[in-house]
Amino acid sequence: QQQVKQSPQSLIVQKGGISIINCAYENTAFDYFPWYQQFPGKGPALLIAIRPDVSEKKEGRFTISFNKSAKQFSLHIMDSQPGDSATYFCAASMGSGGYQKVTFGTGTKLQVIP
Amino acid sequence: EAQVTQNPRYLITVTGKKLTVTCSQNMNHEYMSWYRQDPGLGLRQIYYSMNVEVTDKGDVPEGYKVSRKEKRNFPLILESPSPNQTSLYFCASRLGGSYNSPLHFGNGTRLTVT
Repeated sequence: QQQVKQSPQSLIVQKGGISIINCAYENTAFDYFPWYQQFPGKGPALLIAIRPDVSEKKEGRFTISFNKSAKQFSLHIMDSQPGDSATYFCAASMGSGGYQKVTFGTGTKLQVIP
Repeated sequence: EAQVTQNPRYLITVTGKKLTVTCSQNMNHEYMSWYRQDPGLGLRQIYYSMNVEVTDKGDVPEGYKVSRKEKRNFPLILESPSPNQTSLYFCASRLGGSYNSPLHFGNGTRLTVT
């Protein structure tokens, strides 16, 4: 049972375009939503994260939009560059007492073509 | 340099031959975890450890063992590997007691079981 659904599975975007990756979750106990970026041959690394008390967070060209009522969140990459070509994982986490249960989406392979 | 180190990077073995994948972190993190990454399934947690001598099952623990005798090391043991354990494995660590601190991943171990 996939608790965090991610789409699309793959995405091809022209350089300078906007890349959009969508995620949906079911469990309302999730209270933190990070995105991880993974380059070939490397492990995932935290890119940007948001808490559900805000609707948007922006860091440079990367923006998370969050819709709590719809239980959906998305990553927007503005002015996409070939160096952004990677696999992106959304995630949702919850926890207490120092333990954080992180559930990952299935990943989106992004290719930015020149 | 702060990092999570996994060894080996690549491993080919035969069904039933016990193997160990090592993981070490130099960030003094309390929390460590193992994930497997499979196409279309994303990252799934195998086992995690909140601190030395404290381990617990993740979402897909069958066929795996772990131990945490030292804070920096968290080896993954496959006592009788089977072909369905062919996968890309990642070790990760993070600060414990720091809610929503990011996961730091190693560069992965690609395991093939024939």
